[in-house]
Amino acid sequence: EIGLTQSPATLSLSPGERATLSCRASQSVGSYLAWYQQRPGQAPRLLIYDASNRATGIPARFSGSGSGTDFTLTISSLEPEDFAVYYCQHRSNWPPLTFGGGTKVEIK
Amino acid sequence: VQLVESGGGLVPPGGSLRLSCAASGFSVFSNYMSWVRQAPGKGLDWVSVVYSGGGTTYYADSVRGRFTISRDNSKNTLYLQMNSLRVEDTAVYYCARGVYAPYYFDYWGQGTLVTVSS
Repeated sequence: EIGLTQSPATLSLSPGERATLSCRASQSVGSYLAWYQQRPGQAPRLLIYDASNRATGIPARFSGSGSGTDFTLTISSLEPEDFAVYYCQHRSNWPPLTFGGGTKVEIK
Repeated sequence: VQLVESGGGLVPPGGSLRLSCAASGFSVFSNYMSWVRQAPGKGLDWVSVVYSGGGTTYYADSVRGRFTISRDNSKNTLYLQMNSLRVEDTAVYYCARGVYAPYYFDYWGQGTLVTVSS
């Protein structure tokens, strides 16, 4: 089974700063990677699919990149509502699905 | 588009529970529908999917043989029948709609908490 490792576990930043989140796969997953945001007490929200495609209604400050084993989610300028937990997810040997352990973006 | 789960609660180990997910604004029959769970303070864990149309189903290894996903097209509702529950099944259970493909989820319910404890 292909595992996903997210880093860092916690990212402490101020509003307006740039956030760079990493997701590394234990084997190549091609471009079959998604990113989700989960705010406290809420369900996850799809941000990015197929590594770099923004989902409907997602602001342009969110971007995804990478392929193979190394992926990045970038938030160009953090808004107050962006402080949340972010998960990556791959589907390369669907089913099943695998999620990463998450990165918490907190206010510094 | 809205998904509303119900049916969670406290159940002893070995017990059973059936979760429901009522959909509105779209057809459960015409979409890929999954259950995803999240143990308290932990990450996300995919449980099961039912494909649109023909209704092919798949399960995570951890629940195969114990859980059954199904849908009632007349009620536009998704179900998860959970038998032989274990303490490690304790989690918030979300239903989610697949978009672009069965494995990316654009709409999620608010979740229902299942607690397995004696």
